Amino acid sequence: AQSVTQPDIHITVSEGASLELRCNYSYGATPYLFWYVQSPGQGLQLLLKYFSGDTLVQGIKGFEAEFKRSQSSFNLRKPSVHWSDAAEYFCAVVKGNKLVFGAGTILRVKS
Amino acid sequence: NAGVTQTPKFQVLKTGQSMTLQCAQDMNHEYMSWYRQDPGMGLRLIHYSVGAGITDQGEVPNGYNVSRSTTEDFPLRLLSAAPSQTSVYFCASSYGRGSTDTQYFGPGTRLTVL
Repeated sequence: AQSVTQPDIHITVSEGASLELRCNYSYGATPYLFWYVQSPGQGLQLLLKYFSGDTLVQGIKGFEAEFKRSQSSFNLRKPSVHWSDAAEYFCAVVKGNKLVFGAGTILRVKS
Repeated sequence: NAGVTQTPKFQVLKTGQSMTLQCAQDMNHEYMSWYRQDPGMGLRLIHYSVGAGITDQGEVPNGYNVSRSTTEDFPLRLLSAAPSQTSVYFCASSYGRGSTDTQYFGPGTRLTVL
């Protein structure tokens, strides 16, 4: 069963515009959730994570994500996108002793 | 610290050949894992290890073997390469014995099987 769904394969936003990347999960009453970013030709880097507590979490590079249990969602947001944010973004959830990734969303930034 | 290193960066194999992808970390991390990345499928877990001498299967283990004789190294062996194993392979490590800690990824190995 799919544990993490990222509905958008590609998203294009203008530089300076706001961004929201969607993530829905289907595992765990209290999930451990992550967002990772992959720049072209690179490995993955952690943006932020949620385990418990405040449902709005802050990450690096000005990103934030909000955990909504009622919607089984953990959407990633940024108020103003920079050209350097162009990358692929992955949502992930802990399932037992494993980390399960979504299919990813490719972000394109147009100037 | 070098972090997580992977060798080689690129590799081309013929069907049926075997090879080992190397992964090493110098952060004294207990948890290490191998993923493969294919377009539109995200990263899928191949094998993982929660410490030296302990390994377990992930989502897509068939055709791959691993061992963990030291904390630092976690090689991935392709026993008889197939075109379906053409992919980008990432090794990752994290501090704790579970998967809840931040994982640190290597730069990847791009493998093509002809």
